[in-house]
Amino acid sequence: DAGVIQSPRHEVTEMGQEVTLRCKPISGHDYLFWYRQTMMRGLELLIYFNNNVPIDDSGMPEDRFSAKMPNASFSTLKIQPSEPRDSAVYFCASSPPPQTSGELFFGEGSRLTVL
Amino acid sequence: KQEVTQIPAALSVPEGENLVLNCSFTDSAIYNLQWFRQDPGKGLTSLLLIQSSQREQTSGRLNASLDKSSGRSTLYIAASQPGDSATYLCAVRGMKTSYDKVIFGPGTSLSVIP
Repeated sequence: DAGVIQSPRHEVTEMGQEVTLRCKPISGHDYLFWYRQTMMRGLELLIYFNNNVPIDDSGMPEDRFSAKMPNASFSTLKIQPSEPRDSAVYFCASSPPPQTSGELFFGEGSRLTVL
Repeated sequence: KQEVTQIPAALSVPEGENLVLNCSFTDSAIYNLQWFRQDPGKGLTSLLLIQSSQREQTSGRLNASLDKSSGRSTLYIAASQPGDSATYLCAVRGMKTSYDKVIFGPGTSLSVIP
């Protein structure tokens, strides 16, 4: 398997623009997680899905952030409008159910810079 | 609410030393605990996964233990090498309904000096 695939790897945009980050989980994994990593706050869970359904979005910073999972092989994280404080590395991860192994696998991340 | 802490925040050791990294969590109702390594500017690589029913896992020079009742895990690295220099993070997967999410500690930054 190719692993978790994220795009784009790097994104530079200007304040106010819409940003869309994409993730393809490992085939057969029921869970998908979106994390944000910054030096100040470490790795923060934004939202996670089980069988394409959002389970907990309490980590989403504000209404400017939204995430969708239209099918088992694709998820998006959207920021509209973007702000400089959104600059971070955004990671997507997937896993099988915790009742089996529950091992988490990460993508390479999308590095976002908002000017 | 699950909280995960890691001690120390940073560690510098000479090559060849054995070392221990610590991870603590507040809620013992967990499915598993996973240790990761992250190199600067890179993604997270899984090192070891310990299920809640297990006490330890080993992979090469790495050994991870889990004491669920006390909310602690340790990662033991034997005969450290400069290539082990990285940030090590532990992650805990909760067990409560609708809370099977994965929470990370802040990490331990390890530097192994040749």
